Amino acid sequence: ETGVTQTPRHLVMGMTNKKSLKCEQHLGHNAMYWYKQSAKKPLELMFVYSLEERVENNSVPSRFSPECPNSSHLFLHLHTLQPEDSALYLCASSQEAEDEQYFGPGTRLTVT
Amino acid sequence: KQEVTQIPAALSVPEGENLVLNCSFTDSAIYNLQWFRQDPGKGLTSLLLIQSSQREQTSGRLNASLDKSSGRSTLYIAASQPGDSATYLCAVRGTQGGSEKLVFGKGTKLTVNP
Repeated sequence: ETGVTQTPRHLVMGMTNKKSLKCEQHLGHNAMYWYKQSAKKPLELMFVYSLEERVENNSVPSRFSPECPNSSHLFLHLHTLQPEDSALYLCASSQEAEDEQYFGPGTRLTVT
Repeated sequence: KQEVTQIPAALSVPEGENLVLNCSFTDSAIYNLQWFRQDPGKGLTSLLLIQSSQREQTSGRLNASLDKSSGRSTLYIAASQPGDSATYLCAVRGTQGGSEKLVFGKGTKLTVNP
């Protein structure tokens, strides 16, 4: 596998479920990101990790909980979501925090 | 607060036409600007990255320009092809705290008709 991969690609969950999104980068990068893309809105940055430490939390509700166990893996733990959280969740990585970002294919999340 | 605007929101052209996509940003204190392509339901593919000290970057049929003082960038696509159909996103990175943060526009949806 090369580049940035995300699993699952599609997820349907109820409002009371707990699920996790996974991102893995095979580029040797030091920074990883979670973005949310909703219909008719610009991409919104949610979280940034640099060298496994969170450097930005963009006022994201606590029902979204990120985890970065090492520089290659990033998780987004989801619990008690709302229907308005339905969106495409994109992961990205870059060599350093200010460098060019490379994106994964995204997870299409639907909250019912 | 940085805001990025892309005009037009959608564009439909016949195959072979040259076209220009526009991006404007409100704060000229940027570190770099990046153009991406997004196919429906997919992730983003980076097309061109322009550093704040540069005026343009070229890759194949694509040419991106940057006028930092006026807060504008253009993406020029030569001899468009149906395979160019996608949404094109512009994003800027600031120089202040949080320089790792990219601010995106809403994108221009391009359709190239055979």
